[in-house]
Amino acid sequence: GQQVMQIPQYQHVQEGEDFTTYCNSSTTLSNIQWYKQRPGGHPVFLIQLVKSGEVKKQKRLTFQFGEAKKNSSLHITATQTTDVGTYFCAGRGSGGGSNYKLTFGKGTLLTVNP
Amino acid sequence: GAVVSQHPSWVICKSGTSVKIECRSLDFQATTMFWYRQFPKQSLMLMATSNEGSKATYEQGVEKDKFLINHASLTLSTLTVTSAHPEDSSFYICSAGIGTAGLREQFFGPGTRLTVL
Repeated sequence: GQQVMQIPQYQHVQEGEDFTTYCNSSTTLSNIQWYKQRPGGHPVFLIQLVKSGEVKKQKRLTFQFGEAKKNSSLHITATQTTDVGTYFCAGRGSGGGSNYKLTFGKGTLLTVNP
Repeated sequence: GAVVSQHPSWVICKSGTSVKIECRSLDFQATTMFWYRQFPKQSLMLMATSNEGSKATYEQGVEKDKFLINHASLTLSTLTVTSAHPEDSSFYICSAGIGTAGLREQFFGPGTRLTVL
């Protein structure tokens, strides 16, 4: 079945440093979504990428979708303490049937030292 | 923005009892609702997908007779954990999806923490 790997599992940075989390799928995706879950909270949708090679920005966050539509990354520039949380990618398969669902990566827990 | 509520937010029950969790989309109609399970410091594991008025589609390894899902309307889905056991203790999160198959965007509820003694 479809698998989505996400690295690193944990990342601790000093406030102001950059942060990147990577997501890799075992199969080609039709789209990929990114979510943020604050400690004790629930996942909140950040963005969806659909096109091959797509790059989207949200303030200090930059999202990329690979040319082969099998990998993606989230980069945060100059982290702030408010960025703390777990970032999940979720890939939607491009095939029919069971591949149509969203498969979540294990997430990257980001902690920021002020 | 779209809001999804979940009730209760936490529940403690004795082994062998059944627990019902409600998931409501408050200000929109969801084409599809999803039920996830999340263990501490782990990712979300999709349990089942439900569409209003039809039977839920369960993921491999999820017992449909143990985790009963009812999707009575476009704004309400319920998950009942029957004959709960300690290993069922977990964080259960629902989401309401919009778009084709509910996958254009998902809005997550706040989750229900179930503890089975």
